[in-house]
Amino acid sequence: DTAVSQTPKYLVTQMGNDKSIKCEQNLGHDTMYWYKQDSKKFLKIMFSYNNKELIINETVPNRFSPKSPDKAHLNLHINSLELGDSAVYFCASSQGLPSTYEQYFGPGTRLTVT
Amino acid sequence: GENVEQHPSTLSVQEGDSAVIKCTYSDSASNYFPWYKQELGKGPQLIIDIRSNVGEKKDQRIAVTLNKTAKHFSLHITETQPEDSAVYFCAPDSNYQLIWGAGTKLIIKP
Repeated sequence: DTAVSQTPKYLVTQMGNDKSIKCEQNLGHDTMYWYKQDSKKFLKIMFSYNNKELIINETVPNRFSPKSPDKAHLNLHINSLELGDSAVYFCASSQGLPSTYEQYFGPGTRLTVT
Repeated sequence: GENVEQHPSTLSVQEGDSAVIKCTYSDSASNYFPWYKQELGKGPQLIIDIRSNVGEKKDQRIAVTLNKTAKHFSLHITETQPEDSAVYFCAPDSNYQLIWGAGTKLIIKP
């Protein structure tokens, strides 16, 4: 039983396209996250939702828009993709506040923009 | 904002030897100090954490030590094994979120 799942695992697309990545967790957690990991392995928090409310919104281009239809899902939509968006995107979840509880990560989505 | 530094960036040790990775942070209000391990092709996974009221915590071959005065905490792995090869991240909390270090690539030589 997968705890945090993401689809797709790989995404190859051209500059200017719009794409979405989906995330689901079956842990019953209240908080979900999107992270971006670049080629040097730097992990950067992008967004965090707690009970469907946005609680962390780091400096991210407004081409990135998260959507949380319910507590178990957090999707990431990216408009007008650019070369610099190429990275691995991780979804994660935790029982509560990020400063207190373990975060469970999904397997990642490798996005390649050509 | 919060500054987190991790050293070294790469660590190569002989199988069976010990490995130590250090993390320094700047927020004196930090209270939660986790270490995550990321294996190739996977997401990070929590391996050990410590809170500010404790100086040391052990879990089999892994331990974390905390020096709040000096604002650093360290990951200790003893009797290293091939499966310890991975990238390790420290991520102290600040302002209700985790601030991630740049990662340390641990290589275990046979």
